[in-house]
Amino acid sequence: QKEVEQNSGPLSVPEGAIASLNCTYSDRGSQSFFWYRQYSGKSPELIMFIYSNGDKEDGRFTAQLNKASQYVSLLIRDSQPSDSATYLCAVKSGATNKLIFGTGTLLAVQP
Amino acid sequence: GAVVSQHPSWVICKSGTSVKIECRSLDFQATTMFWYRQFPKQSLMLMATSNEGSKATYEQGVEKDKFLINHASLTLSTLTVTSAHPEDSSFYICSAKKRAAVQWEQFFGPGTRLTVL
Repeated sequence: QKEVEQNSGPLSVPEGAIASLNCTYSDRGSQSFFWYRQYSGKSPELIMFIYSNGDKEDGRFTAQLNKASQYVSLLIRDSQPSDSATYLCAVKSGATNKLIFGTGTLLAVQP
Repeated sequence: GAVVSQHPSWVICKSGTSVKIECRSLDFQATTMFWYRQFPKQSLMLMATSNEGSKATYEQGVEKDKFLINHASLTLSTLTVTSAHPEDSSFYICSAKKRAAVQWEQFFGPGTRLTVL
């Protein structure tokens, strides 16, 4: 079982719709969870982090965390073509500074 | 700010040669830097953790004699790919942790694309 799992996609949504990206992790001791956006050929950029159960909103983005289910998600409201990218879920290992990345979900927002 | 630079942004080299990649934190001190490798359509894989003034900690399966890491100052870490071969062609990305930041805060460099002919 992979430590951090994501559906590779592509996830295709029409412009203006809500995109829902999901991630599960195996280490119950994980404390911090991150969503990165990576455009093709570029390095990842941090979108959001969350470490408490529940929702965290930042503009059009909402991160949701459920530690009991070992599940974290990212919602993108009013999706724009510029949101088209690969979204990487990352989990901080419980005892170290290491980030464990999922394989990413490719999001395609159709104009 | 928290800006991390990498140099070069891309490099092409012949098989058997060595290549050095620099990672610099431009506006903060980084006690810890991380080196990742990303193959096409795959996720980031941590290669090693570089701590200023001490030896790097390599992940399982990463050859420390092939991937030499030096973190000589609080703003610079270097990765040298020795005797590079075509299978080493990849996107190498560093990240840096601020000296005074909460434990999990990492800032990524723009990456270096290595092509070995």
